Amino acid sequence: SQQGEEDPQALSIQEGENATMNCSYKTSINNLQWYRQNSGRGLVHLILIRSNEREKHSGRLRVTLDTSKKSSSLLITASRAADTASYFCATVPDSNYQLIWGAGTKLIIKP
Amino acid sequence: EAQVTQNPRYLITVTGKKLTVTCSQNMNHEYMSWYRQDPGLGLRQIYYSMNVEVTDKGDVPEGYKVSRKEKRNFPLILESPSPNQTSLYFCASSWNSNQPQHFGDGTRLSIL
Repeated sequence: SQQGEEDPQALSIQEGENATMNCSYKTSINNLQWYRQNSGRGLVHLILIRSNEREKHSGRLRVTLDTSKKSSSLLITASRAADTASYFCATVPDSNYQLIWGAGTKLIIKP
Repeated sequence: EAQVTQNPRYLITVTGKKLTVTCSQNMNHEYMSWYRQDPGLGLRQIYYSMNVEVTDKGDVPEGYKVSRKEKRNFPLILESPSPNQTSLYFCASSWNSNQPQHFGDGTRLSIL
């Protein structure tokens, strides 16, 4: 099945800087979800944004959704070493309501 | 504490020896799912279950079986494991397929 694509594949920044990750997808969606995965552990849900929403915030996280461009971005402000992880977007297509996962962005925060 | 529990966490076994990975959730979720995660391929869904006694194939079901006899449990069965099933496996649950998933900590399988 089709997958979303995250970019960049890997991102390394200094602690305190902002980190932006992007996700593009191919079909119309019901919602889009962002998850974090610490090395070798289970994924943890961060934010869900519905197709009729354009922006959502949760603490230092900001997610935007542009359905006309079929893309979303995740911004982490004032990054910390503990934000080092892989970040995945997952889309829920209107057609079958099954999550489709991207390959993830590996984020490294340098102290 | 709300959680999804997988066992075992690690397993090294040999080709052809049947194995079962258990998954249990305590949130009364109706939807459960199994994924495998391989480097560069992201998460791929193996099987999912919308409710008790209802299971469906995901993207990569070949070589796997599942059952959903009770709402809380969703075991993954490898009847005759092969080396290409060496992977990191995750079980997840949620209220339904389009809601946030709760993941277990993963099971790392090595098939020799």
